[in-house]
Amino acid sequence: EAQVTQNPRYLITVTGKKLTVTCSQNMNHEYMSWYRQDPGLGLRQIYYSMNVEVTDKGDVPEGYKVSRKEKRNFPLILESPSPNQTSLYFCASYRPDSGNTIYFGEGSWLTVV
Amino acid sequence: GENVEQHPSTLSVQEGDSAVIKCTYSDSASNYFPWYKQELGKGPQLIIDIRSNVGEKKDQRIAVTLNKTAKHFSLHITETQPEDSAVYFCAADRPSGTYKYIFGTGTRLKVLA
Repeated sequence: EAQVTQNPRYLITVTGKKLTVTCSQNMNHEYMSWYRQDPGLGLRQIYYSMNVEVTDKGDVPEGYKVSRKEKRNFPLILESPSPNQTSLYFCASYRPDSGNTIYFGEGSWLTVV
Repeated sequence: GENVEQHPSTLSVQEGDSAVIKCTYSDSASNYFPWYKQELGKGPQLIIDIRSNVGEKKDQRIAVTLNKTAKHFSLHITETQPEDSAVYFCAADRPSGTYKYIFGTGTRLKVLA
């Protein structure tokens, strides 16, 4: 089954404590991306990656890091989380040459206190 | 900058009635316009899409129309059912080779039984 799997699904953490949200896809997609969803703001892209070792900033990259060492994995790193990073996060993947369908993970609820 | 405006933010309809959600995009070079449905606790899923060389596309009770001159596109759901209740996002591509999308701010549709 085609899947984008992200963990953890729910997390409450404290300001400044580094955390990583993992993302893995089993569709051999080149393109992966992270979005955050906030009320009234929709889905905003944080970072994206077009292939292994190729990453670039999206619209709201401040406070986040990513890495793409393997094709299937694209972790999101918050080095020093702050309360304004409290949000619902989605990992996504797709392969441009096989249509434009973006496959999203089920989301990670992150609360920073 | 580039953006996609989506209206309304919330929409309530009686079961069996039609629902229409409208989006306006700013980048005249955009060529691909997908619609995503997000059910409670899940990630968005593609429900229908349209390309700029087509004015209308239909899939059972769902249709999308595109007016490239006005830079408008709309989602039409007929004979609404309770399971249509969800958040709907429109999106437009950024045809600059970066495979990035801009999403609208979302519409929460409630179908009242």
